[in-house]
Amino acid sequence: VQLFDSGGGLVQPGGSLRLSCTASGLTFRSYAMMWVRQAPGNGLEWVSAITGSGTITQYADSVKGRFTISRDNSQNTLYLQMNSLRAEDSAVYYCAARLRTYGMDAWGHGTTVTVSS
Amino acid sequence: DIQMTQSPSSLSAFVGETVTITCQTSQDISNHLNWYQQKPGKAPKLLIYEASSLEIGVPSRFSGSGSGTDFTFTISSLQPEDIATYYCQHHYYPNLRFTFGPGTKLEIK
Repeated sequence: VQLFDSGGGLVQPGGSLRLSCTASGLTFRSYAMMWVRQAPGNGLEWVSAITGSGTITQYADSVKGRFTISRDNSQNTLYLQMNSLRAEDSAVYYCAARLRTYGMDAWGHGTTVTVSS
Repeated sequence: DIQMTQSPSSLSAFVGETVTITCQTSQDISNHLNWYQQKPGKAPKLLIYEASSLEIGVPSRFSGSGSGTDFTFTISSLQPEDIATYYCQHHYYPNLRFTFGPGTKLEIK
């Protein structure tokens, strides 16, 4: 299983960015997917999750109403649409998959988001 | 939301020593707890799931125990490659929500 996350970059406060995570080596539609972030020098923070079918989504309170998780199972791709970005959203964002356990069995390499003017 | 604490926040040990990290939760979470290892500049890696089950391919010197609100993660015979930060994580069952502990940074003396 390989997860490749991309889409990070520099964006101004209040701006938007869409992250992508492309999966290979798995039946993508069968597995729940998550986004986890890590601000510089900080610990891990779960951001959002989506079921394999895409019908159920969950968000951390810190991003609810601003971020939207979605997936395209025909393209084996997970997305995170991030709007109204704030400086505190600056972090490395990882996509992760729940494969065999109730944890996060597989991870992408991370993509860096910097929110700054 | 359930609050999670880890102790210690950092520790230093000799190669060959046994290292123990604890994780406490503010509510009974049964065995819905996982442990991750994160090396500098790398993505986290799942080591232990459901409190005590060893993930495939993970060396047997890593182990976990506990249930309810108190959990323990142990590395027996510490190796130089174990330098990392270790995180506990609660997964809300059956919901797709997660909470990470604050992490424990492990260094070699």
